[in-house]
Amino acid sequence: DGGITQSPKYLFRKEGQNVTLSCEQNLNHDAMYWYRQDPGQGLRLIYYSQIVNDFQKGDIAEGYSVSREKKESFPLTVTSAQKNPTAFYLCASSISGTGSGELFFGEGSRLTVL
Amino acid sequence: ELKVEQNPLFLSMQEGKNYTIYCNYSTTSDRLYWYRQDPGKSLESLFVLLSNGAVKQEGRLMASLDTKARLSTLHITAAVHDLSATYFCAVGGGSNYKLTFGKGTLLTVNP
Repeated sequence: DGGITQSPKYLFRKEGQNVTLSCEQNLNHDAMYWYRQDPGQGLRLIYYSQIVNDFQKGDIAEGYSVSREKKESFPLTVTSAQKNPTAFYLCASSISGTGSGELFFGEGSRLTVL
Repeated sequence: ELKVEQNPLFLSMQEGKNYTIYCNYSTTSDRLYWYRQDPGKSLESLFVLLSNGAVKQEGRLMASLDTKARLSTLHITAAVHDLSATYFCAVGGGSNYKLTFGKGTLLTVNP
């Protein structure tokens, strides 16, 4: 089945540690995104990438880093510089170009900082 | 900067009743999306609206888009408990397909 796989589903981290969230898609989509969701809030864009080896900062990129070395993979690193990293992280993908722009989401990764 | 406002943010309704959720946005766009989120889960795509006057229906939900008024509505007909969830609208801006989300409407349908 085609889809987006995020791992791990739950992650606990001590303060001061970096952690990397995995996102893999087999939809052959060009564009990939990372969103953060806090309780009772909408989604806020962290980073996005429209093609391999290129990515742009979203609205809340500080304390995060990404890479896009392969079309199907877009890992997100939450660094120790991120002041309040506890949140639900959602990866998404979409067709670029003439597509509708509709986002397809993974199941999410819930990060808790102890 | 594109801003997206949904109202109401909280909606409690009885089964069998009708109601409408509103989504206003601040700058010109012809791409609007509605998503559903169940507690602790990811987002599920409901509707994609890509032109002025677009109307789409699926079961008890109907979405419409008025790009001149910068307004989309999600109408719920004869609500049932299974519709309880958080509903988000998202608006596209520019050519990079970046979406801006509203804060969501938490819908609770009571027997």
